[in-house]
This record gives sequence, structure tokens and C-alpha cells, in this order.
Amino acid sequence: GAVVSQHPSWVICKSGTSVKIECRSLDFQATTMFWYRQFPKQSLMLMATSNEGSKATYEQGVEKDKFLINHASLTLSTLTVTSAHPEDSSFYICSARVLPGNEQFFGPGTRLTVL
Amino acid sequence: KQEVTQIPAALSVPEGENLVLNCSFTDSAIYNLQWFRQDPGKGLTSLLLIQSSQREQTSGRLNASLDKSSGRSTLYIAASQPGDSATYLCAAQAAGNKLTFGGGTRVLVKP
Repeated sequence: GAVVSQHPSWVICKSGTSVKIECRSLDFQATTMFWYRQFPKQSLMLMATSNEGSKATYEQGVEKDKFLINHASLTLSTLTVTSAHPEDSSFYICSARVLPGNEQFFGPGTRLTVL
Repeated sequence: KQEVTQIPAALSVPEGENLVLNCSFTDSAIYNLQWFRQDPGKGLTSLLLIQSSQREQTSGRLNASLDKSSGRSTLYIAASQPGDSATYLCAAQAAGNKLTFGGGTRVLVKP
């Protein structure tokens, strides 16, 4: 099956710093990737849709200037949490869409802790 | 706006029993429905995907059904094993490729 990786798997940072998370499709090309956030004991919430070569589409309530998304190639999308604060601490998961069928395969997630 | 609900939120069964996990969605105009497994602190593993034109999908001990008209999908896991303990999530995909997730069912299979 399709494999999606994320790096780093976990990160601890100080409040006010920026953190970049990478999402890669390892054995396929993904024109569309998705970024989700999951708080403890809750389900996944879609943050934004990342399209290769164009601007990301953000869900309502997600600050695009705080969560910068860059999908520069067909195998890589990055999420940068700018000026992170403790309330940004969460589990961030990306997925990539595989055609045909539109099935989404998920990365292993990145645990972000902001002190 | 699509809403996805999973009942029950948690389930505990003895090893060997069959598991029945329910998923309901409010908007029947879905492209497909996926079932995932999530272990604590991990990402999601895709289990089954049912296209909107299909009624069910099977993989080993897993069987998922889809009834679009009633807005329901059910995941059956036969002869449960302790290794099946995890959280199971269903997600409905709209035509715009957005996945809307249910709250999940936490399953514990006791040896």
C-alpha cells in the first residue's frame, strides 16, 4: 500500500518559536495532501487541504498566517506552526490522496508540545 | 454540513467474540466511506474503503457494510483477538475530497 511519512515524530519547543513538520509520500506522487489536528481523546479535525503548486485551502477557524502550508513538490508538503503557543500543542497528522478511488493514506503523526 | 457519529464510544469484549461497530452520517451525498484503526499515539491505518456505489467490502476477518439511504455503515470484526484492541474511526468523504471523521470507538478485547 501507499506509504506516507512524517518528520519529526515528536517535537518540544518553547513558546514563540516556529516549528516545521514535513509530510512525504514515499512511493507515489500526491497532488493533494491534507493536514489534520487531533487533541487527546478526540477525533481528527481537518485543518487544510494542500495542493501541489497552489495555495492551500484552509478550513473555517484555522488561521492561515499561523499554520503555513507549502506543497512544493508532488511528494512533499510542509506545515509550519508559527509563533507556537501552548494551546497549539497537539497531534498533527497528514494524509495523501491516492488516485483512482480517492483513498487517503495517513502519516504516523507528529506530537507537538509547546512549553 | 456533514456530521459523523460513532456508537458506542467504547466497547469491551472477551476474546473470540464478534465486534460490531456502528457509524452514521447525516449527508448521504458521500463519495466513499473509510474505516481506520488508530493505536494510542500513532497515526491511522486504513482498513477498508467502500465506494458510494458499493454495499460492502471484506478483508480477512473484517467486513464493512454501507447503506447510503439510511446514512449508516457497520464494521464487523469476526473472532476478535487482543491485538484488535485499538480505536476505530470511520470517515465519510465528500465529493471535494474532505474526510469528516466520527468520534471513534475504543475497543478493548480481553484475553
